[in-house]
Amino acid sequence: AQTVTQSQPEMSVQEAETVTLSCTYDTSENNYYLFWYKQPPSRQMILVIRQEAYKQQNATENRFSVNFQKAAKSFSLKISDSQLGDTAMYFCAFMIPRGADGLTFGKGTHLIIQP
Amino acid sequence: DTAVSQTPKYLVTQMGNDKSIKCEQNLGHDTMYWYKQDSKKFLKIMFSYNNKELIINETVPNRFSPKSPDKAHLNLHINSLELGDSAVYFCASSHIAGSAYEQYFGPGTRLTVT
Repeated sequence: AQTVTQSQPEMSVQEAETVTLSCTYDTSENNYYLFWYKQPPSRQMILVIRQEAYKQQNATENRFSVNFQKAAKSFSLKISDSQLGDTAMYFCAFMIPRGADGLTFGKGTHLIIQP
Repeated sequence: DTAVSQTPKYLVTQMGNDKSIKCEQNLGHDTMYWYKQDSKKFLKIMFSYNNKELIINETVPNRFSPKSPDKAHLNLHINSLELGDSAVYFCASSHIAGSAYEQYFGPGTRLTVT
C-alpha cells in the first residue's frame, strides 16, 4: 500500500515570501504520478501541479514549482511571491496509473499567508 | 460551465435515513470517483469506477453504493445513515484512457447526520 506523509500541519509566512511545503511518500512502484491540490476555505479542490515519476525535470506552473527527488521519495512544493489568495489547505497526492485507482492523499498542510 | 457538479451541496438528515448524492461531469472523462473528507480534513478514496471496473475501498461499509447510469454520472447512495457518516463527500473525474490522470473535483457535498 502507498502512503503519503506531510509533516507540517500548519505554516504561516508573510505575503511576498517564498514557502516550501514538504511531502514524502512510500511505494514499491516505479511508475506513478504525484500531485499537489489546494483547498481554499470555499472547500473546492484545485489542482496546483502534477509530476510524472518518469520525468526528471521538475514541474513548474507560474509561481508554483516542485522539487521531486525520486530516490528520496520526496515531493516538495515551493510557492514563490506568496499571495493572500494562497491561504488554503494543501494536499500532496499519489497515484499509480493503473486502471481506475484513486488518489492517496497526505493529511494536508494549512498554509496561512499573513498581510 | 461547471466541469464536475454535485447535488446537493448541503444535506442534513437524521440517522437511519437513506440518501443519495448526485454527480455529473461534462469533461468527457472515462473514470469517476468518490472521496470522503472527514472532520480533520483527511481525504480518502471510497470508489473508483469506469466502464470496465468498479474498485471499492475495503474500508467502505456496504451501506454505501455507487450507481452509474452512464459515463457522465456517478451517484452515491447511502442506506441507514449513521452519525459517523457526517463528512464532506467529493466526486471527481479523470481521463485515464488519455493517460492524463489528473482528477478534477466537484464542489463537495457536506452531509450532516443528526
